[in-house]
Amino acid sequence: NAGVTQTPKFQVLKTGQSMTLQCAQDMNHNSMYWYRQDPGMGLRLIYYSASEGTTDKGEVPNGYNVSRLNKREFSLRLESAAPSQTSVYFCASSFSGRGTDTQYFGPGTRLTVL
Amino acid sequence: AQSVTQPDIHITVSEGASLELRCNYSYGATPYLFWYVQSPGQGLQLLLKYFSGDTLVQGIKGFEAEFKRSQSSFNLRKPSVHWSDAAEYFCAVGGELYGGSQGNLIFGKGTKLSVKP
Repeated sequence: NAGVTQTPKFQVLKTGQSMTLQCAQDMNHNSMYWYRQDPGMGLRLIYYSASEGTTDKGEVPNGYNVSRLNKREFSLRLESAAPSQTSVYFCASSFSGRGTDTQYFGPGTRLTVL
Repeated sequence: AQSVTQPDIHITVSEGASLELRCNYSYGATPYLFWYVQSPGQGLQLLLKYFSGDTLVQGIKGFEAEFKRSQSSFNLRKPSVHWSDAAEYFCAVGGELYGGSQGNLIFGKGTKLSVKP
């Protein structure tokens, strides 16, 4: 039982390049989330997926797209990376998406955009 | 709008000393409150959570937190800190997302804990 896994762990991009961050969970959770963590800012929600087949914007969605590929996988795409997207990205999942549910986090992807 | 404030950016305590990390929240209804810990280079791990009932909540690793509605606070405590507790601690409130009932989390900016030998 690996929990929430993310790939890659580290990535360096040049401005304008694109990439996809992958996330998978093996806990049979319905809801999945993407956050970014910046120094002194805490974690901010980018996108979430309440259930398979649905996605919605969070607090900071600009410059990102997501795909809920199936129940297990939730990917985050940067179409044209910008230096402002340099951050640590965390994927999380929870069973039902209710406010009382615990969110389980992956180990993160550290992204640098030059 | 919901918000979480962690007033202390960085705290240093001696090993064996007691610890209290402060968290204040703003939320219109009954909040769902969480404390997470992040060790260097790692993801976040849940320490404890509060939804209702007993206002003193026990968590993992010897941590506890007390919900005080009158003060809008949910402070994290530990009687005796170990060197392995050095990490960053995040308080979060679970609430409604854009008027719905989605379980988004609003995080504080974190408190970094250093432990002196």
